[in-house]
Amino acid sequence: EIVMTQSLATLSVSPGDRATLSCRATQSVSNSLAWYQQKPGQAPRLLIYGASTRATGIPDRFSGSGSGTEFTLTISSLQSEDFAVYYCQQYDDWPLTFGQGTKVEIK
Amino acid sequence: QVQLVESEGGVVQPGGSLTLSCVASGFSFGSYGMHWVRQAPGKGLEWVAAIWSDGGSKYYADAVKGRFSLSRDNSKNTVYLQMDSLGAEDTAVYYCARRGNPSFFDYWGQGTLVTVSS
Repeated sequence: EIVMTQSLATLSVSPGDRATLSCRATQSVSNSLAWYQQKPGQAPRLLIYGASTRATGIPDRFSGSGSGTEFTLTISSLQSEDFAVYYCQQYDDWPLTFGQGTKVEIK
Repeated sequence: QVQLVESEGGVVQPGGSLTLSCVASGFSFGSYGMHWVRQAPGKGLEWVAAIWSDGGSKYYADAVKGRFSLSRDNSKNTVYLQMDSLGAEDTAVYYCARRGNPSFFDYWGQGTLVTVSS
């Protein structure tokens, strides 16, 4: 099983600042990596797939990068609605696996 | 617009069974694979199972293999998750999700809570 590790459980950021979230895989997943945002009481929402392709309707302040085992989600200028939990997920191999999540909170 | 609506969960006794359904609308259901993902209270996301568009291929997480079973009825735009031999570790919000190409989750239902407790 491919284990996905998000190094930070919590990231404290001021509104308007940049947030950089990381995700690491225990083996190469090529670019088969997605990012999701989840707000309290809501279902997750797809942000990024293919490591760097924004999903439909996702603002361009969200960007993804990386390949192989190291991935990054960047939020260029945090808005109030961006404070949430973010999960990475690999879909290169079964079983599909998620990182444990990074909570982005207001500093 | 794409909508996925899960059936109501509920409280089930340990060892019991429950079948969840997910009704889809707003897209050509028979052309898409579907997944179930769960989230234990206060925890992260865990993929549970997947079924391909024609129902011919199914995949299960080790934690549920042999206990959970997926099926779908494309004439009713519905996917089903039959859960047997439920234990406390199965307590979670269960989400159905549409399969993006190839296997991420591009649309999600609102989720339904299943509680396994005596």
